[in-house]
Amino acid sequence: DAGVIQSPRHEVTEMGQEVTLRCKPISGHDYLFWYRQTMMRGLELLIYFNNNVPIDDSGMPEDRFSAKMPNASFSTLKIQPSEPRDSAVYFCASSLARTGELFFGEGSRLTVL
Amino acid sequence: SQKIEQNSEALNIQEGKTATLTCNYTNYSPAYLQWYRQDPGRGPVFLLLIRENEKEKRKERLKVTFDTTLKQSLFHITASQPADSATYLCALARDDKIIFGKGTRLHILP
Repeated sequence: DAGVIQSPRHEVTEMGQEVTLRCKPISGHDYLFWYRQTMMRGLELLIYFNNNVPIDDSGMPEDRFSAKMPNASFSTLKIQPSEPRDSAVYFCASSLARTGELFFGEGSRLTVL
Repeated sequence: SQKIEQNSEALNIQEGKTATLTCNYTNYSPAYLQWYRQDPGRGPVFLLLIRENEKEKRKERLKVTFDTTLKQSLFHITASQPADSATYLCALARDDKIIFGKGTRLHILP
């Protein structure tokens, strides 16, 4: 398996634009997590899914953020409209077992100007 | 609110010595604790997991301890090598949720 695949690896956009980040988890994994990493706040849990169903989205900063998982092999994190403070590295991770080992993607580095 | 604290300062250790990293937490009762390694520009990579009813876990040159009374985990790398230089993240888990500390940067000096 190729591991967790995220795209794009880098995104530079202007304030107010819509941003969509994509994630393909490892086949067979039933948990999917979205994290955001900054120097100031470290790795923050935004939302996670179990069997494509959102379980906890309490970490989503505000209504500008939304996440979907239409099927077991694909998830998106959308920011609309984007703001400079959204600049961070966004990681997707998947796991097979409940609170088991997480497998991370390489991240999507977002810069909002 | 839940809080996880790791050494915010970078840790410099001479090659061959044992590196010890600390993870303290408050307002949380994790079912288990994990340690990850993160290299610059990469995603975190899982290293070890220790459950709340376990005191110690070993894997090759790595050792983790877990003290639920002190609310602390220690992560040891013995016979450290320059290739061990990275950021090490502590993660706490209960139910489905996994939350991370900010990590400690470790430099192994040749």
